[in-house]
Amino acid sequence: SYVLTQPPSVSVAPGQTARITCGGNNIESKSVHWYQQKPGQAPVLVVYDDSDRPSGIPERFSGSNSGNTATLTINRVEAGDEAGYYCQVWDRSSDHVIFGAGTKLTVL
Amino acid sequence: QVQLQESGPGLVKPSETLSLTCTVSGYSIISGYYWGWIRQPPGRGLEWIASMYHSGSTYYNPFLRSRVTISVDTSKNQFSLKLSSVTAADTAVYYCARGHIVGKFDYWGQGALVTVSS
Repeated sequence: SYVLTQPPSVSVAPGQTARITCGGNNIESKSVHWYQQKPGQAPVLVVYDDSDRPSGIPERFSGSNSGNTATLTINRVEAGDEAGYYCQVWDRSSDHVIFGAGTKLTVL
Repeated sequence: QVQLQESGPGLVKPSETLSLTCTVSGYSIISGYYWGWIRQPPGRGLEWIASMYHSGSTYYNPFLRSRVTISVDTSKNQFSLKLSSVTAADTAVYYCARGHIVGKFDYWGQGALVTVSS
């Protein structure tokens, strides 16, 4: 089955740029979605279809997808961005939803 | 505004069946979209369980397929999850969510903690 690989943790200082990767075989052929999850809360969709943002999500959040890696970029990181981030795809070959294991973003 | 709310027992005994219902407000299930269940064991990541289209097409996580039933009650604008033969490994927060054809989930319930214990 299709596997998505994320780093367990990423650390960044406030005001800097955080990049969270999501690796998968030929992932560029799939639509990648990203969720932010804060402790005790439900996940929130922050980027969909590789690079689109739902209404209400700050422009600081952006996404890209090329080759075998999709990336969520958070510019001008704030303390409130500290959370878990999950990538997700729909694997058409198996008709299954796949989540990455998640990345814990720590704001130093 | 679309809202989803999970409901059901918070404690289930081993070997029994876990049953949860998701009530949707602000949108009619029969109008479209997929409706799904996702769970998260304590301290761990998200795991997709199953999704269904309002007309009845269903999709299951292959690792759970043999134990999962997902159904919809359009008269109540609800959809439901049943997970049979539960063990402690099924202890998790269970989320219901609205899904799209390419898999993104744009609206989520707040989650319901289900503990499997005797």
